[in-house]
Amino acid sequence: GEDVEQSLFLSVREGDSSVINCTYTDSSSTYLYWYKQEPGAGLQLLTYIFSNMDMKQDQRLTVLLNKKDKHLSLRIADTQTGDSAIYFCAAPSYNTDKLIFGTGTRLQVFP
Amino acid sequence: DGGITQSPKYLFRKEGQNVTLSCEQNLNHDAMYWYRQDPGQGLRLIYYSQIVNDFQKGDIAEGYSVSREKKESFPLTVTSAQKNPTAFYLCASSIRVGDSNQPQHFGDGTRLSIL
Repeated sequence: GEDVEQSLFLSVREGDSSVINCTYTDSSSTYLYWYKQEPGAGLQLLTYIFSNMDMKQDQRLTVLLNKKDKHLSLRIADTQTGDSAIYFCAAPSYNTDKLIFGTGTRLQVFP
Repeated sequence: DGGITQSPKYLFRKEGQNVTLSCEQNLNHDAMYWYRQDPGQGLRLIYYSQIVNDFQKGDIAEGYSVSREKKESFPLTVTSAQKNPTAFYLCASSIRVGDSNQPQHFGDGTRLSIL
């Protein structure tokens, strides 16, 4: 079946870069998404990339897509304590109407 | 401001009781969704609706029911048949189901606990 996989935890020092990785088993040719969830809150759309792109940069965020390997990553430059949250990647299902979410990566930033 | 409002933020259920979670959106979106979030398991789809008076089961619909009488509203009832209801429930909406060029927008969630 379709699956989106992420590692569960990432810990980085403030000021360093964070890289959160995601792999997916299948997806229609369309957008892939990154969402951020702060404690006790819903998911906030962070950024997205269209499947015909290799890279998208948006201020401190860089999304890289390796379509051949079905690998998506989110890089956060100069990571701040306010970036501590759970990050979800999401890929549209290839043969249904659904958006498939990963398990989420909990990013912890320490001083 | 346009958005999705979920209420209440916290809800407690007694044994054998049905409880209803509210979700309202003013984004004029056709599609609405309910997800359940458990620690370390990501989001699991309970029900979704493409249009008023229509809804489909998601991956874990057993023990839940929904209605879609108005475009703006998609309430979720957690019935007594749901034996493990303790979780964080998230409502989302998008312009259309099946149009993955349009992202889903989420409410702030309802945390349901057993008394």
